[in-house]
Amino acid sequence: QVQLVQSGTEVKTPGASVEVSCRASGYTFTTDYVHWVRQAPGQGLEWMGVINPPGKTTYYAQKFQGRLTVTRDTSTNTVYMELNTLRSDDTAIYYCASETPSTSFFKYWGQGTLVTVSS
Amino acid sequence: QTVVTQEPSFSVSPGGTVTLTCGLSSGSVSTRNYPSWYHQTPGQAPRTLIYNTNTRSSGVPDRFSGSILGNKAALTITGAQADDESHYYCVLYTGSGIYVFGGGTKLTVL
Repeated sequence: QVQLVQSGTEVKTPGASVEVSCRASGYTFTTDYVHWVRQAPGQGLEWMGVINPPGKTTYYAQKFQGRLTVTRDTSTNTVYMELNTLRSDDTAIYYCASETPSTSFFKYWGQGTLVTVSS
Repeated sequence: QTVVTQEPSFSVSPGGTVTLTCGLSSGSVSTRNYPSWYHQTPGQAPRTLIYNTNTRSSGVPDRFSGSILGNKAALTITGAQADDESHYYCVLYTGSGIYVFGGGTKLTVL
């Protein structure tokens, strides 16, 4: 069964950083793009950024430029999302989602990771 | 900043047909925006319905269809069922590696 498995719930204080991981289970996503999407409480989905299969190219939504870093470790089949200088409005569920190249859609989704930013 | 627009809410009767739309603040939606559609029920991760404008994801019933209608992408549900009640989101590729979600449509079946 194909799954994207994300790391667990995080609680952070304002100004801190958070790293969320995403690994594939049941398949190898070394040839897939991996996107990050978040959803604040009671709000819609928001695309954050994407990393290409070799892990050498990233694209970020303008809103997150300078605060967001997406990396991947091909040896462990894991992708990481780091968001810096957290604010209370970064409180959200963060999802990873994979895209088979040249399909331009999010085929498999992780279960989501709740990140709470609170003093 | 590109904005993707969706109806905030929509209602359909059981067995009825509804068309949800997805527009672009900066112009017309085309197949080059690779419109895709997802639905999400509370507490669950999104699930893919339609991609590349009109291709149904594996396991999605054929009463869900995608198209371009005028200058927008569209998701049509025919023969609506109670368990179609959900939030529906579209995503558009806007170029240079960037994707933008619409604000989502809450569909009520009653």
